[in-house]
Amino acid sequence: QVQLVQSGAEVKKPGASVKVSCKASGYTFTSYDINWVRQATGQGLEWMGWMNPNSGNTGYAQKFQGRVTMTRNTSISTAYMELSSLRSEDTAVYYCARATYDILTGYYHDAFDIWGQGTMVTVSS
Amino acid sequence: EIVMTQSPATLSVSPGERATLSCRASQSVSSNLAWYQQKPGQAPRLLIYGASTRATGIPARFSGSGSGTEFTLTISSLQSEDFAVYYCQQYNNWPFTFGGGTKVEIK
Repeated sequence: QVQLVQSGAEVKKPGASVKVSCKASGYTFTSYDINWVRQATGQGLEWMGWMNPNSGNTGYAQKFQGRVTMTRNTSISTAYMELSSLRSEDTAVYYCARATYDILTGYYHDAFDIWGQGTMVTVSS
Repeated sequence: EIVMTQSPATLSVSPGERATLSCRASQSVSSNLAWYQQKPGQAPRLLIYGASTRATGIPARFSGSGSGTEFTLTISSLQSEDFAVYYCQQYNNWPFTFGGGTKVEIK
């Protein structure tokens, strides 16, 4: 079935970097944008950015510019999100999510129909 | 950045009743609006995109309406599995932004 499977939980010290992976299966990886969304405990959802797995093009929320890098390895259908200069406020569950394709209209929507299971990243000294 | 405001923050509803959730955008997002349901410990689940199109497998009791700055998610007859937090999201402009959520709880 169509799914995104993320890497496991991470514990990092302030100032370190974390790299989360997101492996796609059940569909053509290069046909759908991958987005990253995070959620601090008990809080709402925060969009971080997107990547086109075909071209490698990316777009980041200004809040994360300079600290986030989204990449992919098409040979293994995997997307990556690396966040650097971690601080305690970055403690959150990080999700990858796939954009939606409307088969009736032939249009893509940047609404996210498939989500990874989430990766807990804890930043603590 | 477009600010999405959801109301109410908490909605207490009895099973079988109708629930109406609101989402307002600080500027027009056309029909580029999605709704998600999230249960504790789970990833969000897409319910509606394009303001009114149900995602694959979503029951007909969920419906979305609106355009521009005012949007509504209606659950026609609440089932036990519908008690959750609901988020709206605009994807008309970068950065994509989410509302703060509405928690639908059992009355």
